[in-house]
Amino acid sequence: KNQVEQSPQSLIILEGKNCTLQCNYTVSPFSNLRWYKQDTGRGPVSLTIMTFSENTKSNGRYTATLDADTKQSSLHITASQLSDSASYICVVSASITGGSYIPTFGRGTSLIVHP
Amino acid sequence: DVKVTQSSRYLVKRTGEKVFLECVQDMDHENMFWYRQDPGLGLRLIYFSYDVKMKEKGDIPEGYSVSREKKERFSLILESASTNQTSMYLCATRGAYEQYFGPGTRLTVT
Repeated sequence: KNQVEQSPQSLIILEGKNCTLQCNYTVSPFSNLRWYKQDTGRGPVSLTIMTFSENTKSNGRYTATLDADTKQSSLHITASQLSDSASYICVVSASITGGSYIPTFGRGTSLIVHP
Repeated sequence: DVKVTQSSRYLVKRTGEKVFLECVQDMDHENMFWYRQDPGLGLRLIYFSYDVKMKEKGDIPEGYSVSREKKERFSLILESASTNQTSMYLCATRGAYEQYFGPGTRLTVT
């Protein structure tokens, strides 16, 4: 069964500090891995997407890494801001016939940034 | 930019009412999805559609039905709303590599 596990479940940091969120998965055959940011009461918004051959992808202060061998990904947030307070969801997709894919969602990490 | 819109941000309905949640996309995507999101459970797939008039059950279809009469519109129907259907409902489309989500509808059933 395809699964995506995220840790920690929640995290509180001070503004300006860095933090790293983890995602472990057992999804096969692997198609891609995405990190989403979801503000309270809003729909998720894509931050990064990585395919099998990519091991690092940046989007401003967000940097995602992927280790396809150990089936782990991390999302590193640099110099956190109050607006980074949100839930971060890891989504790993498995390839299916016809070139399509099926996503499996992690339960998310809730990040709170305090001033 | 992909735009996925949902008909209501907040909705309050009574137990037993029939509820319609509408989702419209403007990117000509074939695949559309309905999820519900509950604290501690993450997103769970209710139904998805890969073409007009085509639908497939997701992981938790019980108590729900869907309609896809036009490519751009995917509706979720709660035939007889119950309190355990109080949740955040998210519609999404799927492009080549990623999904695009609507803003969500927070439904409360009293």
